Amino acid sequence: GQNIDQPTEMTATEGAIVQINCTYQTSGFNGLFWYQQHAGEAPTFLSYNVLDGLEEKGRFSSFLSRSKGYSYLLLKELQMKDSASYLCAVRDGGATNKLIFGTGTLLAVQP
Amino acid sequence: NAGVMQNPRHLVRRRGQEARLRCSPMKGHSHVYWYRQLPEEGLKFMVYLQKENIIDESGMPKERFSAEFPKEGPSILRIQQVVRGDSAAYFCASGRGNTEAFFGQGTRLTVV
Repeated sequence: GQNIDQPTEMTATEGAIVQINCTYQTSGFNGLFWYQQHAGEAPTFLSYNVLDGLEEKGRFSSFLSRSKGYSYLLLKELQMKDSASYLCAVRDGGATNKLIFGTGTLLAVQP
Repeated sequence: NAGVMQNPRHLVRRRGQEARLRCSPMKGHSHVYWYRQLPEEGLKFMVYLQKENIIDESGMPKERFSAEFPKEGPSILRIQQVVRGDSAAYFCASGRGNTEAFFGQGTRLTVV
């Protein structure tokens, strides 16, 4: 089966660092994606990992361990505008190649 | 991403009517995905299409729902005889297959 788990909600303070974890069990794997979604808006692409290790892009970093079925998104120097849902998605390999999403983590950044 | 165009942005239908949702992918993208999102829930995969071909429709309800991506024109998600439970945001995403997918702004369907 396909299963992607993330915490439902997290709270953090402006200026701090927060780590959002994602574990997955999927029949295939061809990459892991993180998206940000503000309420009522479209998901926007943040990062992509296909090999083990850390990918850094400005204030956002994403880590992947394929052997553990585990990823995290690290947000540094949090800003109020970072309050949003963060969606972990796995690309199912093989012929389908579709993206399977977790339910998302709602992050609230407080002053 | 502004490059993926969905219309209409908002759609109101009475129970029993048909809803047609359109998605024009980004230029150069040949893959289209449709997702449904209920309030407070994640994105649920519905269907994955390439031009003139349905690759994976494992997330589509067996009845009333259909999708197409013709050689010319946008991809269409069609819902026949809508019911209240169909009310949701429907997102379309496009990509080239192995790279990231870019989402449109979505169509908010309300069935009254």
